[in-house]
This record gives sequence, C-alpha cells and structure tokens, in this order.
Amino acid sequence: AQSVTQLGSHVSVSEGALVLLRCNYSSSVPPYLFWYVQYPNQGLQLLLKYTSAATLVKGINGFEAEFKKSETSFHLTKPSAHMSDAAEYFCAVSDRGSYNTDKLIFGTGTRLQVFP
Amino acid sequence: GAVVSQHPSRVICKSGTSVKIECRSLDFQATTMFWYRQFPKQSLMLMATSNEGSKATYEQGVEKDKFLINHASLTLSTLTVTSAHPEDSSFYICSAGRVEAFFGQGTRLTVV
Repeated sequence: AQSVTQLGSHVSVSEGALVLLRCNYSSSVPPYLFWYVQYPNQGLQLLLKYTSAATLVKGINGFEAEFKKSETSFHLTKPSAHMSDAAEYFCAVSDRGSYNTDKLIFGTGTRLQVFP
Repeated sequence: GAVVSQHPSRVICKSGTSVKIECRSLDFQATTMFWYRQFPKQSLMLMATSNEGSKATYEQGVEKDKFLINHASLTLSTLTVTSAHPEDSSFYICSAGRVEAFFGQGTRLTVV
C-alpha cells in the first residue's frame, strides 16, 4: 500500500532563506506524487505534481520538487522564502494502479513559518 | 484549471440535526468524487469515494449511515452528516479530477 511520510511537522525559515520540506513515499508501483498548500480554513491548492515525466518538477509560486527513486523522496524546495509562503504543506501519493487514480493518500503535513 | 465548488463554507448546527454539504465540479464531469475530513492541525483523511449512479465506497471505520453520500449527477456529490454530534465537528473537503485532484474550499462544521 502507498504511504507518505513528511519529516518535520513545523519548519521555520527567515524571509529570503531556502525552503526545504521533506517527503518520502512508499509505493509498490511507480507513483504519482503531489505537493499541495493549504491556507487557514481553505481547501488545498496544487503546487506541483510528478507523473513519471521529468524528475525535476517546477510548480507555482517558485516551488519545485525532485523525484528521486533511489531515495524514495520528493522533497519540496524554494530558493527564497516569502512571507506569503507561510501555510500548511501536504505531500500526497496517488493510487496509480487502480481505477481511482485520483484517490490521494496524504502525509501528515508540514507547517511553514516565515519570519521577517 | 478545473474548479470544484463546495457549499456551505461554514455551518453551525444543533446536536441531533442533519447537515448537507454540496460539492460541484463547475467545468468538468466527475464520475468520482472524494470526501475528506480534517481535524485541527492534522492531515486529511479519506472518508469515502462518491461514485456517480452507484453506492459510495467508505473507508474503514467510517459509518456509512452517519455520513450519507449521494452522487446523483456527473457534477454534484452531497455529503449529509446525520444526527450530528459535537464530535462530528470538523473541516470537510471534497475533491474531483483525474490524475490531478481539484479541491473544494472546504466546509467548517460546528455542532453545538
């Protein structure tokens, strides 16, 4: 069964600093992987997705993630944090092998704080 | 991108009453929609898969008689929390889409 582990429930960075949010997955088949962002009392917005094309995926708001099969990782990065990046971030894996390919399994989330 | 609309965004109800939450795909047809529940400062837990024209598939531990799901058309799924109790208070989110899931804005349910 697929699963996702996000290391670090809280990450704090200074404005302008590198953002690194960690995600490791477990899957018996090549996975589809996603990063979502959630602002308070709102739904989820897709940042980026990996669907077996390029291993380095660029998303919105300057975020990118690299799929590393050897490490079973899909870490999210941004070179320079902005105050508006403060939010909750979720890594998710899709159940790719079944009909319900959009059934998502989420990690526990990482809250990003950005200090001025 | 595709839009999924969820209504209402907030609802407060009395214990023992029922609440209906709607999830609509505005610019695409969705034969399958998903309902998630999110407790404060926690991740999303899949409750059930809503299937157009057939019964919903519930995840283990989710009471199907408590959380009624109806997917009567290709653009609308509803989640009804029946005989709500304070422990049902939570943030409920729906999603739809193939490969890429589009999420509704979520519904904050408070049962008093």
